[in-house]
Amino acid sequence: KNEVEQSPQNLTAQEGEFITINCSYSVGISALHWLQQHPGGGIVSLFMLSSGKKKHGRLIATINIQEKHSSLHITASHPRDSAVYICAVSDNFGNEKLTFGTGTRLTIIP
Amino acid sequence: GAGVSQSPSNKVTEKGKDVELRCDPISGHTALYWYRQSLGQGLEFLIYFQGNSAPDKSGLPSDRFSAERTGGSVSTLTIQRTQQEDSAVYLCASSLRVGGPSTDTQYFGPGTRLTVL
Repeated sequence: KNEVEQSPQNLTAQEGEFITINCSYSVGISALHWLQQHPGGGIVSLFMLSSGKKKHGRLIATINIQEKHSSLHITASHPRDSAVYICAVSDNFGNEKLTFGTGTRLTIIP
Repeated sequence: GAGVSQSPSNKVTEKGKDVELRCDPISGHTALYWYRQSLGQGLEFLIYFQGNSAPDKSGLPSDRFSAERTGGSVSTLTIQRTQQEDSAVYLCASSLRVGGPSTDTQYFGPGTRLTVL
């Protein structure tokens, strides 16, 4: 069983739809990261969470430490949001090496 | 300022050859990470450097892999006697500070795509 699991693996939606990507983890963590990777592109860090909720533009990330679960939401989705979204956790204080989920491939259709 | 840079962007080599991959982290970042992204395997941790501390090598897949970080800045990942299963994108990331309850964002480089023929 992977330490970090994401769902769904693939998601296709129409432009404007509200998107939710889920991440569950099985280890104690110091932080959870949401990353974005465009096709052929590099990886960009979207959020780093240790509790609660963060918002940046149309993106919202939440985490429930007790349930070991996080969600990434995209409001008013746009074709430029099409990318792979990766959940990752750092599980030790003092060493922030990341353990990654397998990613969610999001496609937004105009 | 400049982000994390990696070179070369692409490397094609023959099985059995040695390769060196370079990472220039963001200036002033004390932590540096190497990750690998293989087709069908996803992203995995390889090695981590923090300041002058001994590196965490727990993710290196075999003794053919090694890395060093000179002067707390540039890092080189070396793969000896390359095998076809080493083909992957090798990513470097750096962060300003680690430890404590508030961890730091990792900034990723563009990666080096290694193809072993």
